[in-house]
Amino acid sequence: DQQVKQNSPSLSVQEGRISILNCDYTNSMFDYFLWYKKYPAEGPTFLISISSIKDKNEDGRFTVFLNKSAKHLSLHIVPSQPGDSAVYFCAASEWETSGSRLTFGEGTQLTVNP
Amino acid sequence: GAGVSQTPSNKVTEKGKYVELRCDPISGHTALYWYRQSLGQGPEFLIYFQGTGAADDSGLPNDRFFAVRPEGSVSTLKIQRTERGDSAMYLCASSSRQGATDTQYFGPGTRLTVL
Repeated sequence: DQQVKQNSPSLSVQEGRISILNCDYTNSMFDYFLWYKKYPAEGPTFLISISSIKDKNEDGRFTVFLNKSAKHLSLHIVPSQPGDSAVYFCAASEWETSGSRLTFGEGTQLTVNP
Repeated sequence: GAGVSQTPSNKVTEKGKYVELRCDPISGHTALYWYRQSLGQGPEFLIYFQGTGAADDSGLPNDRFFAVRPEGSVSTLKIQRTERGDSAMYLCASSSRQGATDTQYFGPGTRLTVL
């Protein structure tokens, strides 16, 4: 079963506008969430994370929001830049109980148009 | 400093053959992970090492897959009697396992193609 789902395989936005990438999960034991971005021919690169004790974490242009009751998180990129064009993966772990294994979503291809 | 490196970057083999994929983690990182990514999917966990020992190998799909990390640094993922369904990108990651969070840093991957 797919415990982490990214329902939008692709997203296209204009440069300077906001990009919102969404992620849903089903496992209530997940307590740590991360976003990775991946460029072609490279491995995933860590972007931002959030613990389940928080509902928001911000780092520059990137903000992650967590809604535990809805089992939903989102990544906001403001303002979007063409260099942000990449595949974005949502990931989750049961940090307190089973350590570091990450469960990933399918990914969303973000394209930022100049 | 140097990131996680993986060799080879590409490996083409025939069905039934044996392959080895190598991962060099970031220096000093005690934790090492292997993931497999199929086309259109996210990475899927295979195995996690803490030091030399496999702390969690529950993601290995069957007994044809085996991984070692004899000196607590370099790791090798070994696949016996390869099948076409083993074709995927194999990703390695490492982390320092310090503090309450644990960022995993990924290598560029090895693209395995089984003909």
